[in-house]
Amino acid sequence: DSGVTQTPKHLITATGQRVTLRCSPRSGDLSVYWYQQSLDQGLQFLIQYYNGEERAKGNILERFSAQQFPDLHSELNLSSLELGDSALYFCASSARQDTSGANVLTFGAGSRLTVL
Amino acid sequence: EDQVTQSPEALRLQEGESSSLNCSYTVSGLRGLFWYRQDPGKGPEFLFTLYSAGEEKEKERLKATLTKKESFLHITAPKPEDSATYLCAVQARSGGYQKVTFGTGTKLQVIP
Repeated sequence: DSGVTQTPKHLITATGQRVTLRCSPRSGDLSVYWYQQSLDQGLQFLIQYYNGEERAKGNILERFSAQQFPDLHSELNLSSLELGDSALYFCASSARQDTSGANVLTFGAGSRLTVL
Repeated sequence: EDQVTQSPEALRLQEGESSSLNCSYTVSGLRGLFWYRQDPGKGPEFLFTLYSAGEEKEKERLKATLTKKESFLHITAPKPEDSATYLCAVQARSGGYQKVTFGTGTKLQVIP
């Protein structure tokens, strides 16, 4: 157990629907990252939050949104779902940067989304 | 734009047959290079951080090295339990924040 909790583990839904993925970071970690991993692609960075504030945006579609709450858990909302949104969605958290400024990410087990 | 390229895409080794995985990168202002291991259906698990050229780190049968343009993950006398996808990632400063970019990974299979 990495300490990062993601729910649900599996989700099957239909095109056009909306889903919410939830992430609880490791205790003490202030940063939360969301990544998408499709079968033929690597980990694609979506968005990062630090202590409730958006810090960085990657290749996140306008149909997707996220937020980090005061208790530091985060939610990723995916709307108007398309077949191509089927993927594993990972949440990762990190503590304060170490002295070099490098962030070691601790990943959750992922949420597998299937859009039919 | 930061780029991370891993090779080979897949590697099949006999148990005990040592080899190396490559990660070449193009980045401005490298803050750290990471290696992660990912088992099927699971999240990546941290292995190493390397900060500067010439640095080496070891853990059991794995040894990671770093030059100015690439990193190698050497696997000595691998066992079947080393079978996994190995991911390389770089962290660099981009527009005022620290951005982490992952490669697509090398899928390693170790045959008994």
